[in-house]
Amino acid sequence: GESVGLHLPTLSVQEGDNSIINCAYSNSASDYFIWYKQESGKGPQFIIDIRSNMDKRQGQRVTVLLNKTVKHLSLQIAATQPGDSAVYFCALRGSNYKLTFGKGTLLTVNP
Amino acid sequence: EAQVTQNPRYLITVTGKKLTVTCSQNMNHEYMSWYRQDPGLGLRQIYYSMNVEVTDKGDVPEGYKVSRKEKRNFPLILESPSPNQTSLYFCASSLKDNEQFFGPGTRLTVL
Repeated sequence: GESVGLHLPTLSVQEGDNSIINCAYSNSASDYFIWYKQESGKGPQFIIDIRSNMDKRQGQRVTVLLNKTVKHLSLQIAATQPGDSAVYFCALRGSNYKLTFGKGTLLTVNP
Repeated sequence: EAQVTQNPRYLITVTGKKLTVTCSQNMNHEYMSWYRQDPGLGLRQIYYSMNVEVTDKGDVPEGYKVSRKEKRNFPLILESPSPNQTSLYFCASSLKDNEQFFGPGTRLTVL
Protein backbone atom coordinates (compact mmCIF):
# COMPACT_ATOMS: atom_id res chain seq x y z
CA GLY A 1 0.00 0.00 0.00
CA GLU A 2 0.95 3.62 -0.11
CA SER A 3 2.99 5.26 2.56
CA VAL A 4 4.19 8.78 2.74
CA GLY A 5 7.21 9.67 4.77
CA LEU A 6 8.23 12.91 6.28
CA HIS A 7 11.74 14.25 6.01
CA LEU A 8 11.49 16.92 8.71
CA PRO A 9 8.66 17.45 11.15
CA THR A 10 9.56 21.13 11.66
CA LEU A 11 11.24 23.78 9.58
CA SER A 12 12.18 27.26 10.74
CA VAL A 13 13.21 29.95 8.25
CA GLN A 14 13.82 33.66 8.19
CA GLU A 15 11.34 35.90 6.44
CA GLY A 16 12.44 36.39 2.86
CA ASP A 17 14.37 33.11 2.65
CA ASN A 18 13.32 30.23 0.45
CA SER A 19 11.76 27.17 2.11
CA ILE A 20 11.97 23.58 0.93
CA ILE A 21 9.69 20.92 2.34
CA ASN A 22 10.24 17.31 1.36
CA CYS A 23 8.22 14.13 1.11
CA ALA A 24 9.12 10.56 0.23
CA TYR A 25 6.63 7.98 -0.98
CA SER A 26 6.69 4.27 -1.65
CA ASN A 27 3.92 3.55 -4.17
CA SER A 28 5.32 3.84 -7.67
CA ALA A 29 1.77 3.54 -9.07
CA SER A 30 0.76 6.93 -7.63
CA ASP A 31 -0.19 9.25 -10.46
CA TYR A 32 -1.13 12.50 -8.77
CA PHE A 33 0.53 14.46 -5.99
CA ILE A 34 -0.75 17.41 -4.03
CA TRP A 35 0.56 19.84 -1.46
CA TYR A 36 -1.80 21.22 1.15
CA LYS A 37 -1.34 24.00 3.70
CA GLN A 38 -3.15 23.86 7.03
CA GLU A 39 -3.33 26.89 9.28
CA SER A 40 -4.27 26.54 12.90
CA GLY A 41 -7.97 25.85 13.34
CA LYS A 42 -8.66 25.42 9.64
CA GLY A 43 -9.03 22.65 7.13
CA PRO A 44 -6.25 21.80 4.66
CA GLN A 45 -6.06 24.21 1.75
CA PHE A 46 -4.85 23.22 -1.71
CA ILE A 47 -1.56 24.82 -2.76
CA ILE A 48 -0.33 23.07 -5.88
CA ASP A 49 -0.48 19.72 -7.58
CA ILE A 50 1.55 17.74 -10.08
CA ARG A 51 0.80 14.68 -12.16
CA SER A 52 3.19 11.83 -12.68
CA ASN A 53 3.92 12.78 -16.29
CA MET A 54 5.61 15.98 -15.09
CA ASP A 55 8.65 16.63 -12.93
CA LYS A 56 8.15 20.31 -12.13
CA ARG A 57 5.27 22.70 -11.80
CA GLN A 58 5.27 26.31 -10.74
CA GLY A 59 2.65 28.48 -9.11
CA GLN A 60 2.76 31.84 -7.47
CA ARG A 61 5.88 31.71 -5.24
CA VAL A 62 5.60 27.92 -5.04
CA THR A 63 7.23 25.17 -7.06
CA VAL A 64 6.64 21.45 -6.77
CA LEU A 65 9.31 19.01 -7.91
CA LEU A 66 8.65 15.34 -8.50
CA ASN A 67 11.45 12.78 -8.79
CA LYS A 68 9.82 9.48 -9.66
CA THR A 69 13.14 7.65 -9.77
CA VAL A 70 13.73 8.10 -6.07
CA LYS A 71 10.05 8.61 -5.20
CA HIS A 72 10.58 12.07 -3.79
CA LEU A 73 8.37 15.15 -3.82
CA SER A 74 9.30 18.63 -2.68
CA LEU A 75 7.61 21.98 -2.22
CA GLN A 76 9.65 25.13 -2.61
CA ILE A 77 8.32 28.43 -1.32
CA ALA A 78 10.12 31.51 -2.54
CA ALA A 79 10.58 34.59 -0.37
CA THR A 80 8.81 33.00 2.58
CA GLN A 81 6.46 35.34 4.45
CA PRO A 82 5.00 35.18 7.97
CA GLY A 83 1.65 34.25 6.43
CA ASP A 84 3.26 31.08 5.12
CA SER A 85 3.60 29.75 8.66
CA ALA A 86 1.47 26.60 8.78
CA VAL A 87 1.63 22.83 8.58
CA TYR A 88 2.28 21.55 5.07
CA PHE A 89 1.12 18.12 3.95
CA CYS A 90 2.00 16.18 0.88
CA ALA A 91 -0.62 13.78 -0.43
CA LEU A 92 -0.49 11.20 -3.14
CA ARG A 93 -3.29 9.51 -4.97
CA GLY A 94 -3.40 5.78 -5.44
CA SER A 95 -6.17 3.47 -6.55
CA ASN A 96 -9.82 4.56 -6.42
CA TYR A 97 -8.73 8.19 -6.14
CA LYS A 98 -7.74 7.56 -2.54
CA LEU A 99 -5.42 10.16 -1.07
CA THR A 100 -2.72 9.19 1.41
CA PHE A 101 -1.30 12.06 3.43
CA GLY A 102 2.09 12.59 4.96
CA LYS A 103 2.18 13.53 8.63
CA GLY A 104 3.00 17.14 7.90
CA THR A 105 5.84 19.63 8.33
CA LEU A 106 5.37 22.64 10.60
CA LEU A 107 6.85 25.69 8.90
CA THR A 108 7.69 28.62 11.14
CA VAL A 109 8.71 31.90 9.57
CA ASN A 110 10.73 34.19 11.80
CA PRO A 111 10.49 37.93 11.17
CA GLU B 1 -19.49 30.54 -2.91
CA ALA B 2 -18.08 27.09 -3.65
CA GLN B 3 -17.56 25.32 -0.37
CA VAL B 4 -17.73 22.24 1.79
CA THR B 5 -19.71 22.70 4.99
CA GLN B 6 -19.76 20.55 8.10
CA ASN B 7 -22.03 20.56 11.10
CA PRO B 8 -21.62 20.75 13.95
CA ARG B 9 -18.22 22.41 14.20
CA TYR B 10 -17.80 21.36 17.80
CA LEU B 11 -19.46 18.53 19.71
CA ILE B 12 -19.00 17.07 23.16
CA THR B 13 -20.90 13.86 23.78
CA VAL B 14 -20.86 10.75 25.94
CA THR B 15 -19.93 7.18 25.18
CA GLY B 16 -22.63 5.25 23.36
CA LYS B 17 -24.83 8.17 22.28
CA LYS B 18 -25.36 7.98 18.54
CA LEU B 19 -24.35 11.05 16.57
CA THR B 20 -24.19 12.25 12.99
CA VAL B 21 -21.84 14.80 11.51
CA THR B 22 -23.19 16.27 8.32
CA CYS B 23 -21.18 17.24 5.26
CA SER B 24 -22.47 19.09 2.25
CA GLN B 25 -20.81 20.44 -0.89
CA ASN B 26 -22.24 22.75 -3.55
CA MET B 27 -19.71 22.04 -6.32
CA ASN B 28 -21.42 19.01 -7.88
CA HIS B 29 -18.43 16.84 -6.97
CA GLU B 30 -18.67 13.11 -7.46
CA TYR B 31 -16.03 12.17 -4.91
CA MET B 32 -16.45 12.78 -1.17
CA SER B 33 -14.40 11.56 1.75
CA TRP B 34 -14.08 11.68 5.52
CA TYR B 35 -10.81 11.99 7.41
CA ARG B 36 -9.81 12.14 11.01
CA GLN B 37 -6.79 14.08 12.16
CA ASP B 38 -4.92 13.15 15.31
CA PRO B 39 -1.64 14.49 16.72
CA GLY B 40 1.32 12.56 15.39
CA LEU B 41 -0.84 10.52 13.01
CA GLY B 42 -1.78 13.09 10.40
CA LEU B 43 -4.90 12.77 8.27
CA ARG B 44 -6.32 9.28 7.93
CA GLN B 45 -9.17 8.38 5.65
CA ILE B 46 -12.27 6.86 7.26
CA TYR B 47 -14.63 6.34 4.32
CA TYR B 48 -14.99 7.63 0.82
CA SER B 49 -17.63 7.74 -1.88
CA MET B 50 -17.03 7.73 -5.61
CA ASN B 51 -20.61 8.75 -6.37
CA VAL B 52 -24.21 8.43 -5.17
CA GLU B 53 -24.83 5.06 -3.50
CA VAL B 54 -21.15 4.10 -3.90
CA THR B 55 -19.15 4.07 -0.67
CA ASP B 56 -16.05 2.22 0.48
CA LYS B 57 -13.83 1.87 3.52
CA GLY B 58 -10.72 3.94 3.97
CA ASP B 59 -7.88 3.19 6.35
CA VAL B 60 -9.72 3.52 9.66
CA PRO B 61 -13.43 2.68 9.13
CA GLU B 62 -14.09 0.82 12.40
CA GLY B 63 -16.84 2.45 14.45
CA TYR B 64 -18.11 4.63 11.62
CA LYS B 65 -20.82 4.47 8.98
CA VAL B 66 -21.57 6.68 6.02
CA SER B 67 -24.27 7.08 3.42
CA ARG B 68 -24.44 8.81 0.07
CA LYS B 69 -28.08 9.14 -0.93
CA GLU B 70 -27.59 12.47 -2.66
CA LYS B 71 -24.61 13.82 -4.53
CA ARG B 72 -24.17 16.85 -2.27
CA ASN B 73 -24.38 15.16 1.15
CA PHE B 74 -22.13 12.63 2.85
CA PRO B 75 -22.97 12.25 6.55
CA LEU B 76 -20.66 10.48 8.98
CA ILE B 77 -22.47 8.36 11.56
CA LEU B 78 -21.09 7.14 14.86
CA GLU B 79 -23.60 4.56 16.12
CA SER B 80 -21.94 4.09 19.52
CA PRO B 81 -19.14 6.63 20.00
CA SER B 82 -16.19 5.75 22.19
CA PRO B 83 -13.46 7.96 23.68
CA ASN B 84 -10.93 6.79 21.07
CA GLN B 85 -13.07 8.53 18.47
CA THR B 86 -12.27 11.88 20.03
CA SER B 87 -10.64 13.66 17.12
CA LEU B 88 -10.79 16.41 14.53
CA TYR B 89 -12.85 15.32 11.53
CA PHE B 90 -12.68 16.69 8.02
CA CYS B 91 -14.96 16.14 5.08
CA ALA B 92 -13.58 16.68 1.57
CA SER B 93 -14.92 16.59 -1.96
CA SER B 94 -13.53 16.70 -5.47
CA LEU B 95 -14.13 16.07 -9.09
CA LYS B 96 -12.64 12.65 -9.64
CA ASP B 97 -9.43 13.75 -11.26
CA ASN B 98 -8.71 16.90 -9.28
CA GLU B 99 -7.66 18.12 -5.86
CA GLN B 100 -9.90 17.62 -2.85
CA PHE B 101 -11.53 20.60 -1.16
CA PHE B 102 -11.78 20.34 2.60
CA GLY B 103 -14.45 21.52 5.01
CA PRO B 104 -13.63 23.56 8.14
CA GLY B 105 -13.51 20.56 10.44
CA THR B 106 -15.57 19.15 13.32
CA ARG B 107 -13.92 18.78 16.69
CA LEU B 108 -15.51 15.85 18.51
CA THR B 109 -14.95 14.93 22.13
CA VAL B 110 -16.38 11.67 23.46
CA LEU B 111 -16.42 11.44 27.25
